[in-house]
Parts: sequence; structure tokens; C-alpha cells
Amino acid sequence: DAKTTQPPSMDCAEGRAANLPCNHSTISGNEYVYWYRQIHSQGPQYIIHGLKNNETNEMASLIITEDRKSSTLILPHATLRDTAVYYCIVRVGHTGKLIFGQGTTLQVKP
Amino acid sequence: SAVISQKPSRDICQRGTSLTIQCQVDSQVTMMFWYRQQPGQSLTLIATANQGSEATYESGFVIDKFPISRPNLTFSTLTVSNMSPEDSSIYLCSVEYRNEQYFGPGTRLTVT
Repeated sequence: DAKTTQPPSMDCAEGRAANLPCNHSTISGNEYVYWYRQIHSQGPQYIIHGLKNNETNEMASLIITEDRKSSTLILPHATLRDTAVYYCIVRVGHTGKLIFGQGTTLQVKP
Repeated sequence: SAVISQKPSRDICQRGTSLTIQCQVDSQVTMMFWYRQQPGQSLTLIATANQGSEATYESGFVIDKFPISRPNLTFSTLTVSNMSPEDSSIYLCSVEYRNEQYFGPGTRLTVT
């Protein structure tokens, strides 16, 4: 599975959009980009995934560059409860193991 | 979604002993995974446990230390054997269900 690179930490003001970047320059054509988050002391929670098109759900939007070498997770209106570690993961297909990197610690501030 | 429960939620154990962690899911799933999260660290995959076959271990993890059972499609156990303080971690069970992976709440293990 391709490796990902994320900034170790980011801050965001409550109510503003949080944009979390991820680099995956060695991604293969059959690898999907997945985002999970882990709120303190809980198991990771699925957020969104995509292959090459931009995706949106009730939690977030995922923007994947045309060359697929990077992506951005967007939380449109961050709240204090969005404070968590966010993991960007690439993997082949929809099944199989997830390999976690170090993630980005997002701190939403009032 | 799939709802996962783990037992125990936490435990404090003496070195040299073993602990078996149980993972129960409310739906039948083929693939189950066990992860370890050491203090302040990210998650590390220990093994993949598919029903009807032997577990597949990741590099650095061996069956003698982390034996896994997978007796049916809704249940699995992970045993942490001959524990040392370095085994103090959160152990998480995960399942693949309808193209999403769901995680249990974790078992917080402290070895003294």
C-alpha cells in the first residue's frame, strides 16, 4: 500500500472550514483514498473515501487532485467535537487491511 | 453499520501472565482485524483473522505471542501471551462490513 504524508498538527477556528491535506505521490491506479478520524480514547471512525472523483457526504468533502497524488479533506463548519486525529490512508479496493500513518491532530478552537 | 463490542474494556495485568480479549460484532463479517495502539502512537495492524482460515500476521508479530481465534463470523479473540510492560497498549478489533471498516472501542491493557 502507498504511503501517505500528513502535517502532524493543525488548528482551526470553530465554525470555519477545516482543510486537511494529504500527499500520496506513489498511489497506484487501483488504490482508494480513505479518511478516518480518532477522537480521544475511542476507536477510529470512517469519514469518507474516493478513487478519483471528488466526494461529499454528511460529514465531509474529499477533493482529489487530477493526478491523484494528493487530496484534501474538508470539514465545512468545524465544531469543537471535530477535534481529533485524522488519518489519510490509501489501499487497494474496498477490502482488506488499513495501514495507518501518524495522522494530523486537528485542534478546533473556540 | 456494524456495532462492535470488546471485553474487557480495560485490565491491569502482571508481567508473565496472559490476557484474552474478546471481540463481538452484531453482523456476520468475513474479515476481522486486530490492531495495537501504544501510548501516543498511531494504530499498528497485528493480524487479519478470516473465518475458516489461519490468521495472517504482520511483520513483527507472531502467533506464539498473539494467538487469535476466529470460531465464527461474529466473534474473535486475541490473546496477549507472556506479557511484559512493553505490551501496555490499547488493543482494537476491527471488521470490514459493506465496504467500510468499523472499529471497536478498544481494550486498554496495562502490564505491571
